[in-house]
Amino acid sequence: AQSVTQLGSHVSVSEGALVLLRCNYSSSVPPYLFWYVQYPNQGLQLLLKYTSAATLVKGINGFEAEFKKSETSFHLTKPSAHMSDAAEYFCAVIPSGAGSYQLTFGKGTKLSVIP
Amino acid sequence: DTGVSQNPRHKITKRGQNVTFRCDPISEHNRLYWYRQTLGQGPEFLTYFQNEAQLEKSRLLSDRFSAERPKGSFSTLEIQRTEQGDSAMYLCASSTGPGDGNTIYFGEGSWLTVV
Repeated sequence: AQSVTQLGSHVSVSEGALVLLRCNYSSSVPPYLFWYVQYPNQGLQLLLKYTSAATLVKGINGFEAEFKKSETSFHLTKPSAHMSDAAEYFCAVIPSGAGSYQLTFGKGTKLSVIP
Repeated sequence: DTGVSQNPRHKITKRGQNVTFRCDPISEHNRLYWYRQTLGQGPEFLTYFQNEAQLEKSRLLSDRFSAERPKGSFSTLEIQRTEQGDSAMYLCASSTGPGDGNTIYFGEGSWLTVV
């Protein structure tokens, strides 16, 4: 079964500092990987996704993530944090293979941005 | 593209009452999903429709829960004889095809509080 581990339930960074949110997956076969963002009392918005093309994936709002098979990781980064980045971030996986549809989410990492 | 629409956004109900949530997916999306999210956790898969057919139900979906998608358009999620443990946000999502190559779009969610 697929599983996702997000290290750190809370991360605080200063405005302008590097954002690094960690995600590791467990799967014998590399799955498809996603990062979603959730603002308070709202649904989920897709930031970016990895579907076996380029290992460095660029998403919206200046975020990017790198798929590292050897480390079974898909960490999310942004060079310079902005106040508007404060939200909860979820890493998710879908098993590779045609017709896969069930997302398995991590527990989320809440990002705080300090002025 | 008006996005995935869910209503009501908030519902407070007494234990033992029935509640129903509605989801209108993005038009032309034939795949529809329901997820549940409790505080401090990532969303968990509940059920999946392809057109009007309910193809999978999670073991989280007890007999008190029923989901329908008549005519492959909107969907409803009904919870009978609500319990306090049902308090959560219920998220609906939709996509044009399987999640391996197609973005799954989420709605704003419906918050349920059982008192």
